[in-house]
Amino acid sequence: QVQLVESGGGVVQPGRSLTLSCAASAFTFSNYGMLWLRQAPGKGLEWVALVSSDGTNNYYADSVKGRFTISRDNSKNTLYLQMNSLRADDTAVYYCAKAGVQRTPDYWGQGTLVTVSS
Amino acid sequence: DIVMTQTPLSLSVTPGQPASMSCKSSQSLLYSDGKTYLYWYLQRPGQPPQLLMYEVSKRFSGVPDRFSGSGSGTDFTLKISRVEAEDVGVYYCMQSIQLPLTFGGGTKVEIK
Repeated sequence: QVQLVESGGGVVQPGRSLTLSCAASAFTFSNYGMLWLRQAPGKGLEWVALVSSDGTNNYYADSVKGRFTISRDNSKNTLYLQMNSLRADDTAVYYCAKAGVQRTPDYWGQGTLVTVSS
Repeated sequence: DIVMTQTPLSLSVTPGQPASMSCKSSQSLLYSDGKTYLYWYLQRPGQPPQLLMYEVSKRFSGVPDRFSGSGSGTDFTLKISRVEAEDVGVYYCMQSIQLPLTFGGGTKVEIK
């Protein structure tokens, strides 16, 4: 059974940085693209970023472009999201997901909460 | 960006009765490969979303056959033939024909 476990969330002040991690298991991590998505409290789902299976191609939502960086370490089966210049509207539960056909998130982790507040 | 619009906002259903919800996209989701990249997710309370349907009408692994999807182009429907208590939650449609991936606002299903 595909397992994705996010970590690294917490409370951070506006303008500061935070890095999220996602440990993957039970599938061949290096064969699949991976995604980060988020959900603000009481709100809907928002795609954040996508990385190709080999890490060479990255794509971002306009709302995070230039501030967030998605990366992966295939030797450690781990996905990362480096978040800089955090704003209050970045407050959300952040989910990592495995990309299936056509980069669709097919398996999701349980999520990690990021709260940006002074 | 492709805008996904879901209706209704909420549904209250008696167990054993059917339920239906709609999703409309601002552009056709039919790709040049002949596939239509429309997906449905269920987010149960306190849980992450789980994939229910892919490419409009294909059930994902482990999804009961009381769920069915239909539609084409820009108009899509998810139906539950007989609602059960475990079907409670928010249903989201999503398109992946182009980036950014975009989701509808969700339809909340409650049990009467």
